[in-house]
Amino acid sequence: NAGVTQTPKFQVLKTGQSMTLQCAQDMNHNSMYWYRQDPGMGLRLIYYSASEGTTDKGEVPNGYNVSRLNKREFSLRLESAAPSQTSVYFCASSAGLGETQYFGPGTRLLVL
Amino acid sequence: DQQVKQNSPSLSVQEGRISILNCDYTNSMFDYFLWYKKYPAEGPTFLISISSIKDKNEDGRFTVFLNKSAKHLSLHIVPSQPGDSAVYFCAASAVPGGGNKLTFGTGTQLKVEL
Repeated sequence: NAGVTQTPKFQVLKTGQSMTLQCAQDMNHNSMYWYRQDPGMGLRLIYYSASEGTTDKGEVPNGYNVSRLNKREFSLRLESAAPSQTSVYFCASSAGLGETQYFGPGTRLLVL
Repeated sequence: DQQVKQNSPSLSVQEGRISILNCDYTNSMFDYFLWYKKYPAEGPTFLISISSIKDKNEDGRFTVFLNKSAKHLSLHIVPSQPGDSAVYFCAASAVPGGGNKLTFGTGTQLKVEL
């Protein structure tokens, strides 16, 4: 039982490049989330998906897009990476919007 | 505007003693609070939660206290163990159970020394 998995674990990009962060959960959860963690800032919600087929903006959505591919998978895309997007990105899932969230191991992204 | 504040970035405690981690919040609409624990290179893991209808919740060595009038909560770990060394995040929500509006504090690094 893997829980929440994220790929890649680490990525270096040049400014302007694009990439997609992948997230999958095997807990049959309905809701999924993307957070970023920056030093001294805690975790901030980028986007979330309450259920398959729906996505909504969180606290810091600018510069990102998401796709809820199916119930298991929720991807985060950076169309044109900027140094300000250097961060650690965490995906999480929960049974529903009122339930405990379970986090993946994170993706460390460096934008030069 | 940091609505959930953890003013101590680090805390060092001896093994066997009590660890007390503090969290303050400013949004009076928050009514559900959670603590997460994070080891290096891992994602946060849920530890314990409390709703505003309670002032205390216990789970083994972990107890969370909530003082709504002071907008303050604390996590007590007794006795502290070396494996408790991690970053602890406080989180709050205005939706029961957390939901999509989970607001995190900046974290407190706990080090439990032998």
